[in-house]
Amino acid sequence: SQQGEEDPQALSIQEGENATMNCSYKTSINNLQWYRQNSGRGLVHLILIRSNEREKHSGRLRVTLDTSKKSSSLLITASRAADTASYFCATDGNNRLAFGKGNQVVVIP
Amino acid sequence: KAGVTQTPRYLIKTRGQQVTLSCSPISGHRSVSWYQQTPGQGLQFLFEYFSETQRNKGNFPGRFSGRQFSNSRSEMNVSTLELGDSALYLCASSRMGQGSDNEQFFGPGTRLTVL
Repeated sequence: SQQGEEDPQALSIQEGENATMNCSYKTSINNLQWYRQNSGRGLVHLILIRSNEREKHSGRLRVTLDTSKKSSSLLITASRAADTASYFCATDGNNRLAFGKGNQVVVIP
Repeated sequence: KAGVTQTPRYLIKTRGQQVTLSCSPISGHRSVSWYQQTPGQGLQFLFEYFSETQRNKGNFPGRFSGRQFSNSRSEMNVSTLELGDSALYLCASSRMGQGSDNEQFFGPGTRLTVL
């Protein structure tokens, strides 16, 4: 079964706006990772947050992790057309990565 | 540093045939994981190999198998293909494998179509 579940499933925004995606999971984790996938290609790692971390930044990305609620959020600030992609959260626990269904984000120029 | 490479990129087979997919990890990476991606089921973990040993396995039938060579290159094999095996097969490499707080580097995938 899928560990991570992103919400919402699809998001359409204007260039320059912020995009927020959420992910929930069910069991304990070592870390949670976010990946981006462009149009049926391989996944690109965006950011990894460990279970003892609460927030992490990388460029225009901000990830939060709330282990008490078993949830994470990914914020993309000042979105660009090139951010159009599917975004997946993946939880690393029990020595395997479990991916959510993904969020489709469309950034309109 | 070269990225993860997968061959072939596209493959068309018919039901009942078998197929072998190849993955070359990033130099120095000892772990290779395989995933199946379909529109209906999303990304599902197949198995992970580390130093030539299968370290973890997902919930797939025995028709799906794999192996890893001493140079860390990995192959996965699917026998007696079914229509439902049509998918994008992704491999990912990492230095120490899953559960070790390191990121996975994905290849571009092999698109398998079963007719």
